[in-house]
Amino acid sequence: AQKVTQAQTEISVVEKEDVTLDCVYETRDTTYYLFWYKQPPSGELVFLIRRNSFDEQNEISGRYSWNFQKSTSSFNFTITASQVVDSAVYFCALSDNMEYGNKLVFGAGTILRVKS
Amino acid sequence: DSGVTQTPKHLITATGQRVTLRCSPRSGDLSVYWYQQSLDQGLQFLIQYYNGEERAKGNILERFSAQQFPDLHSELNLSSLELGDSALYFCASSPLPQGFTGELFFGEGSRLTVL
Repeated sequence: AQKVTQAQTEISVVEKEDVTLDCVYETRDTTYYLFWYKQPPSGELVFLIRRNSFDEQNEISGRYSWNFQKSTSSFNFTITASQVVDSAVYFCALSDNMEYGNKLVFGAGTILRVKS
Repeated sequence: DSGVTQTPKHLITATGQRVTLRCSPRSGDLSVYWYQQSLDQGLQFLIQYYNGEERAKGNILERFSAQQFPDLHSELNLSSLELGDSALYFCASSPLPQGFTGELFFGEGSRLTVL
């Protein structure tokens, strides 16, 4: 069975601090896909990134970066120089079936509060 | 704006009632997904339709049913409602497999409150 664990329920930081959101996953599949979604206060879920299990290259997008390590089954998300607008709930998710689309298994989410 | 439209945005009803949530996917997306977000269960996958056919089923109760119509819009029917069904129900759609990036596009959700 697939499982995603986000051990950090809530994180509070002061603006401009760096923050890392942890994600640990479990799957028996050799091919799988990892995702991060953001849920701002407005409620909609916004896609941030997808990572394939066969691509361990880390990725950077502006202030966001992701560290994928298969050896530890982790897919952590770092926000550099956090801003108040980063305040949201962040979900890590896992999927194994891409043929007809994603059936995502989500973690419990991490609430990030960035204070000015 | 993701391009996925959900109606109604808010719904308040009583226990034992039946409601229908509607979703219009992004233009061209063949897959529609329904997710339930509640405080105790988190984000749970309910069901997926692909081009009108049920493709995958998750933790969907027997009191719940869904369908995808020929125009690709989908409806989620919730019946014999209980207090515990109060949640935010998301619809998401995804592009065709060819060129599929893996991204799900989520609607803004329908917030159901059962009193």
